[in-house]
Amino acid sequence: DQQVKQNSPSLSVQEGRISILNCDYTNSMFDYFLWYKKYPAEGPTFLISISSIKDKNEDGRFTVFLNKSAKHLSLHIVPSQPGDSAVYFCAADGTSYGKLTFGQGTILTVHP
Amino acid sequence: EAGVVQSPRYKIIEKKQPVAFWCNPISGHNTLYWYRQNLGQGPELLIRYENEEAVDDSQLPKDRFSAERLKGVDSTLKIQPAELGDSAVYLCASSLGSTSGRAYNEQFFGPGTRLTVL
Repeated sequence: DQQVKQNSPSLSVQEGRISILNCDYTNSMFDYFLWYKKYPAEGPTFLISISSIKDKNEDGRFTVFLNKSAKHLSLHIVPSQPGDSAVYFCAADGTSYGKLTFGQGTILTVHP
Repeated sequence: EAGVVQSPRYKIIEKKQPVAFWCNPISGHNTLYWYRQNLGQGPELLIRYENEEAVDDSQLPKDRFSAERLKGVDSTLKIQPAELGDSAVYLCASSLGSTSGRAYNEQFFGPGTRLTVL
């Protein structure tokens, strides 16, 4: 039972353009969402988060949008840079404090 | 500030052998997590500690997996005996305690231990 799904295994984007990574969830108890970025041979690093009381959170080039009615969130990266190439995981919390449920990840490749 | 430290980084063992992983969290982080990440999947929580207490071990296969966090700092995860299906990356993460509000959700991960069981 995959409660958090990232349906796109990979995404390829030109440098300078927008990258949009999507995530869907099924559990209505989730009320806090996070995005992590992972480089090869490293652990995931926290990128940005959003509470369910908001529908948008922005941090520099990164913006996360939350659509609670659709149980959908997305991460926008503008402009995309080659250094953004990594695996991006969305994660959700709310069923049990501290227990993050992760999606399968999306491999982002930004071409120069 | 030092990040989460894990060792070893790589481990190859024969099935039925024991194996142990070690984690040193970020100083001051009371909460420690062990995750398992299978190939092509996201991390899955195995166990969460608040100081020395295991507050969530519902996903830990207790017949062969064990964990401890002595003195509420370092932690060890053990598998005995290992099976072929245990091949994965084992990640340790830490965060501020739950009394810190939602900031505790910002978990800091170590580089992981890649386990291969032959």
